[in-house]
Amino acid sequence: NAGVTQTPKFRILKIGQSMTLQCAQDMNHNYMYWYRQDPGMGLKLIYYSVGAGITDKGEVPNGYNVSRSTTEDFPLRLELAAPSQTSVYFCASSNDRGRSSNYGYTFGSGTRLTVV
Amino acid sequence: TQLLEQSPQFLSIQEGENLTVYCNSSSVFSSLQWYRQEPGEGPVLLVTVVTGGEVKKLKRLTFQFGDARKDSSLHITAAQPGDTGLYLCAGVGYYGQNFVFGPGTRLSVLP
Repeated sequence: NAGVTQTPKFRILKIGQSMTLQCAQDMNHNYMYWYRQDPGMGLKLIYYSVGAGITDKGEVPNGYNVSRSTTEDFPLRLELAAPSQTSVYFCASSNDRGRSSNYGYTFGSGTRLTVV
Repeated sequence: TQLLEQSPQFLSIQEGENLTVYCNSSSVFSSLQWYRQEPGEGPVLLVTVVTGGEVKKLKRLTFQFGDARKDSSLHITAAQPGDTGLYLCAGVGYYGQNFVFGPGTRLSVLP
């Protein structure tokens, strides 16, 4: 069982370039999330999805876009990359929003992005 | 916006020592989680607590949810080098959509 798979693991972008961070899960989870992690700042929610075809903004959505055409895939698009988007990006999924005592979020291993 | 504070920010101890890290907020949470994150990896769920005053044990780790559901603690007994990592707490309010994460406590256990 692969869980949550993120690609690529590392990427260097030049200012103004665009790219898509890929995320796929094989657990049939309805809920999927994109976070960014900066040193000492914890995880900040960028976008989330409660099911195929439904997405919504999180705490820090500016400069990003998402789509959810299937249950399995939740790509994150960066348009016109800026140095402020240098960060580690994590994709996560859950099957009940993590509220019960039995479930939480399953995270991928992250994409480290540097914008120069 | 719900905010979570974690203390201490950094902790370095010797193998075999006990330690407690804290997660605090002014907000009430319906559910609170603890994760451990190792370098180069994503966070891994340790526990979810949903009842005020609840205590859960996971081998040498003891988690407590405050009676008022605003705080939580993680106690590690006889720490081992394998416990090294970033410990994150995350909470969601009764009317919140998604979990909010604290900044984490970075633990280093020296052999």
